[in-house]
Amino acid sequence: DILMTQSPSTLSASVGDRVTITCRASQSISSWLAWYQQKPGKAPKFLIHDASILESGVPSRFSGSGSGTEFTLTISSLQPDDFATYYCQQHKSYPYTFGQGTKLEIK
Amino acid sequence: EVQLVESGGGLVQRGGSLRLSCVASGFTFSSYSMNWVRQAPGKSLEWISYVSHTGSPVYYADSVKGRFTISRDNVKNSLFLQMNSLTAEDTAVYYCARDSGYCTTSDCYRWHDYWGPGTLVTVSS
Repeated sequence: DILMTQSPSTLSASVGDRVTITCRASQSISSWLAWYQQKPGKAPKFLIHDASILESGVPSRFSGSGSGTEFTLTISSLQPDDFATYYCQQHKSYPYTFGQGTKLEIK
Repeated sequence: EVQLVESGGGLVQRGGSLRLSCVASGFTFSSYSMNWVRQAPGKSLEWISYVSHTGSPVYYADSVKGRFTISRDNVKNSLFLQMNSLTAEDTAVYYCARDSGYCTTSDCYRWHDYWGPGTLVTVSS
């Protein structure tokens, strides 16, 4: 199975900050990486697929990049609604594995 | 509006069985592959099963293979997960998730674009 590792596990930031979350795969997954946002008690919300393609309706302050084994999710200017937990998931091969999550907290 | 609503969760004893359902609306259910993804309390997400839009093929995570069975009824717009031989490690919120994606000449690549709100399964020991 492909192991996905996110860093940091927790990130404290303020409204307006630019933040970056990193996701590493244990083997090359080309660009087959998705990102999801989850708020407490809610289902995950799909944000990005193929490492950098934003789902329709996702604000443009979100961006994804990377290929191979290293990927990033960047939020250019944090908004209050962005404080949540973010998960990466490889969608190259089954089982589709997730990272352990990055909790984005208000500083 | 795409909607997925799970049901069937609850408290079950170790070794017991449970059948989860997910009713879909707002899209042509028979055209989409579907998944079950679970999340243990305070933990990350774990993909556990996939079923194609026709009902075959199906895939399972090793953690549930041989114990869980995914199926679907395209007439009733419903997805199911039959869970047997449950253990405490199966305690989680179970989400059904719709796939979007594309296929190349060599493979298909999918992601989960819509999720239900989840149903909680608690296995008591």
